[in-house]
Amino acid sequence: EAQVTQNPRYLITVTGKKLTVTCSQNMNHEYMSWYRQDPGLGLRQIYYSMNVEVTDKGDVPEGYKVSRKEKRNFPLILESPSPNQTSLYFCASSFLVQGGPGELFFGEGSRLTVL
Amino acid sequence: AQSVTQPDIHITVSEGASLELRCNYSYGATPYLFWYVQSPGQGLQLLLKYFSGDTLVQGIKGFEAEFKRSQSSFNLRKPSVHWSDAAEYFCAVAPYSGGGADGLTFGKGTHLIIQP
Repeated sequence: EAQVTQNPRYLITVTGKKLTVTCSQNMNHEYMSWYRQDPGLGLRQIYYSMNVEVTDKGDVPEGYKVSRKEKRNFPLILESPSPNQTSLYFCASSFLVQGGPGELFFGEGSRLTVL
Repeated sequence: AQSVTQPDIHITVSEGASLELRCNYSYGATPYLFWYVQSPGQGLQLLLKYFSGDTLVQGIKGFEAEFKRSQSSFNLRKPSVHWSDAAEYFCAVAPYSGGGADGLTFGKGTHLIIQP
């Protein structure tokens, strides 16, 4: 089954404790991206990747890191989480269509709370 | 950079009535346009997309959208809504640059409420 898998789905952590949210897709998509969703702000892009070893900042990259060592995986790293990173996070992937992202397939989301 | 505006934060429609959700974008060239739906507690699902060609596109669940270049709009429509259509709807735009790309930009969403 084609899917985007995120883990963990739910996490409560404390300020400053490094954490990683994993994302894996089995559709051989070139493009992968992370979004955060906050009430009244919609989805905002954190980072995206056009292919292996190619990553770029989205609209709200501060406090996050990513890596793309393999095509299927795109982990989101919070080196020193802060309470303002409490949010619902979505990973998404797609094929590239004429240089841009095509239809995005989303994971089910990871709800992160930073105390 | 591109931007997307969904002017209506909330819309309430009676079951069986028609629906139109508005979306306006700001981008210099013709972008790729999408509508996604998010049911409570779920991820996002693609309803329909426009890349080129016929400006009226059909999607899943009986939805359609019309691209109007002159108005920079991509409004979503459904002739008769069902209670199961209650959800959050997001319009999104991706630039077509033919060689490199920014990411996909989403509007802030429209929350659709269905009245019995």
